[in-house]
Amino acid sequence: AQSVSQHNHHVILSEAASLELGCNYSYGGTVNLFWYVQYPGQHLQLLLKYFSGDPLVKGIKGFEAEFIKSKFSFNLRKPSVQWSDTAEYFCAVNAPSGNNRLAFGKGNQVVVIP
Amino acid sequence: DGGITQSPKYLFRKEGQNVTLSCEQNLNHDAMYWYRQDPGQGLRLIYYSQIVNDFQKGDIAEGYSVSREKKESFPLTVTSAQKNPTAFYLCASTPRSRTSGNLDTQYFGPGTRLTVL
Repeated sequence: AQSVSQHNHHVILSEAASLELGCNYSYGGTVNLFWYVQYPGQHLQLLLKYFSGDPLVKGIKGFEAEFIKSKFSFNLRKPSVQWSDTAEYFCAVNAPSGNNRLAFGKGNQVVVIP
Repeated sequence: DGGITQSPKYLFRKEGQNVTLSCEQNLNHDAMYWYRQDPGQGLRLIYYSQIVNDFQKGDIAEGYSVSREKKESFPLTVTSAQKNPTAFYLCASTPRSRTSGNLDTQYFGPGTRLTVL
C-alpha cells in the first residue's frame, strides 16, 4: 500500500521567511504527486502537481515543489511567505498502475505571523 | 456554475441513528470519492467509485455505505455501526485523464461536519 509522510505537523514562521515542507512516499513505481492546500474556511484546492517531465514544478501563489525520484520525495517550497499563506498543506500520491486512488499525508498546519 | 456541492454543511445526529450525507457534482466527472478528515490525521479514504453502479472500499470503510446510481451523485451513509462518526467529511471527484487514462486532479466539495451527540 502507498503511504505518504509529512513531518513537522505544526509550522510557525514570520512573514518573508522561507518555507519548506517535506513529503516522502513509499511507493516504488511510477507516481503522480500533488500538493493540496486548505485555507481557513475554504475548500481543499490544488496547489501544484507532478506527472512527468521537469521535476521542478511551479504552482499557484509562488509555490514550487521538486520531485527527487531517488529520495522518494516531493518537497514544497516558497521563498518568502505571506500572512495569507496560513493554511493546512497536504501532500498526496497516486500510483497510476494501482487502483487510481490518492494517498494523503497527515498535513502540515502552517501559521504565518505578520 | 460548475462544482461539487455537499449538504448539509453541519449535521447533528443522535447515537444509534443512521445519517446520509449528500454529494453532487455537475462537472461530468467519472470518479467520486469520500474522505474523512480528522485533526492531525490528514484525509482518509472511505469509499470511491470510478464509474456508475460500481464502488470500492477505501481504507476505513467499516460502518459506512455508499451508492452510485447516477454519475453526478455519490451519497454516503454513516451507519450506527461506525464507532467514532464525529468528523469532517469531504467528497471529491475527478475526470479520467485523456492522455494517460489515469486519474487527474481531484476537486473537493466544501465538506460536511457531522457531530454525534
